[in-house]
Amino acid sequence: NAGVMQNPRHLVRRRGQEARLRCSPMKGHSHVYWYRQLPEEGLKFMVYLQKENIIDESGMPKERFSAEFPKEGPSILRIQQVVRGDSAAYFCASSPRITGGSTDTQYFGPGTRLTVL
Amino acid sequence: SQQGEEDPQALSIQEGENATMNCSYKTSINNLQWYRQNSGRGLVHLILIRSNEREKHSGRLRVTLDTSKKSSSLLITASRAADTASYFCATAPRGAQKLVFGQGTRLTINP
Repeated sequence: NAGVMQNPRHLVRRRGQEARLRCSPMKGHSHVYWYRQLPEEGLKFMVYLQKENIIDESGMPKERFSAEFPKEGPSILRIQQVVRGDSAAYFCASSPRITGGSTDTQYFGPGTRLTVL
Repeated sequence: SQQGEEDPQALSIQEGENATMNCSYKTSINNLQWYRQNSGRGLVHLILIRSNEREKHSGRLRVTLDTSKKSSSLLITASRAADTASYFCATAPRGAQKLVFGQGTRLTINP
């Protein structure tokens, strides 16, 4: 059973370009989460999705960032017109269930390291 | 702002010694989880403790949870060089479908 897959592992973009980060959850997992990690810091929640639905995007910047989890295919985190401050590691996680109204164990992918020149 | 705060920020011990890391949080939680991250890599889930549990063991790991003090501790016994990593606590707030991470503890095991 393959783990959470993310690609690309490394992405370099120039300011103003678009970045697309992909995440395939573990088989059987219908809950997908995106987190951002700045150097020497912990992860910060960005968005929680189920198939074809954004459930919680309270951690997403209001502009330039969007996420989707289509019926078919991977979840996509899209960053338009990237700026240097977007440089970070972006992690995707998936979970098979919700327990007691809160998230249960999340399984993380290897991350995509975005560098904006 | 991050809810979880780990203490200490960095810890360096000799191989074979025990390592203890602490985590404090602010709001009501459903569960608390500990993760390990090796440098430049993804996160590996170590253990989950629910709000109605006080202690849990997994191999060389022992986790405690005190909901009255809103704190948790992770104990790694008989440490090994391979335990060198950053350790993060993450809380699952009640009713929230996300994890809130602390800043992490950087653990170094010296051979």
